[in-house]
Amino acid sequence: IAGITQAPTSQILAAGRRMTLRCTQDMRHNAMYWYRQDLGLGLRLIHYSNTAGTTGKGEVPDGYSVSRANTDDFPLTLASAVPSQTSVYFCATKEGGARYNEQFFGPGTRLTVL
Amino acid sequence: GQQVMQIPQYQHVQEGEDFTTYCNSSTTLSNIQWYKQRPGGHPVFLIQLVKSGEVKKQKRLTFQFGEAKKNSSLHITATQTTDVGTYFCAGKAAGNKLTFGGGTRVLVKP
Repeated sequence: IAGITQAPTSQILAAGRRMTLRCTQDMRHNAMYWYRQDLGLGLRLIHYSNTAGTTGKGEVPDGYSVSRANTDDFPLTLASAVPSQTSVYFCATKEGGARYNEQFFGPGTRLTVL
Repeated sequence: GQQVMQIPQYQHVQEGEDFTTYCNSSTTLSNIQWYKQRPGGHPVFLIQLVKSGEVKKQKRLTFQFGEAKKNSSLHITATQTTDVGTYFCAGKAAGNKLTFGGGTRVLVKP
């Protein structure tokens, strides 16, 4: 593994189904983030984790949940998918500490909810 | 809450010409970052500005942070086809998470 991996690359999902998007990093970064990207709206923060064992809500958390059992993994779960959750989802990481603000992004997951 | 606006949303540029994209925040920022996303790719960090009035250059790209730390600009000179993509600014206010603007999608006409 090099950097950040996300799975699946793309997915078509029926409304009402449960779905987990996976994100794994090998950079040992403390902070991890989930964003969704929609045309014209940029990247909007869904949930974040400053360190393993802690999570927080971002700008658009409704309908999503996360967990951070260890440093490397930060899965995003849609409990019951709805069409408005059709989007491209990016996982990102950041090295801990106030000096290091650059975020590193994974390749993304394209999700379509029908 | 904190809002970050970018204009224009789209920029069609003739190859060889210059252009500027602007970023405005509703709140004073502690720093601002710029990212580039190539078509079909993921955002990649370009630069961070921290000081009031700061100007940084990366080859043909010039980044500026406003005196009031509420706005920023990215100026690209002599645009090339490799400049195609979407440029995002992202502002961080004290105690807040990074907030991304909507992006400027740059299309280059050869």
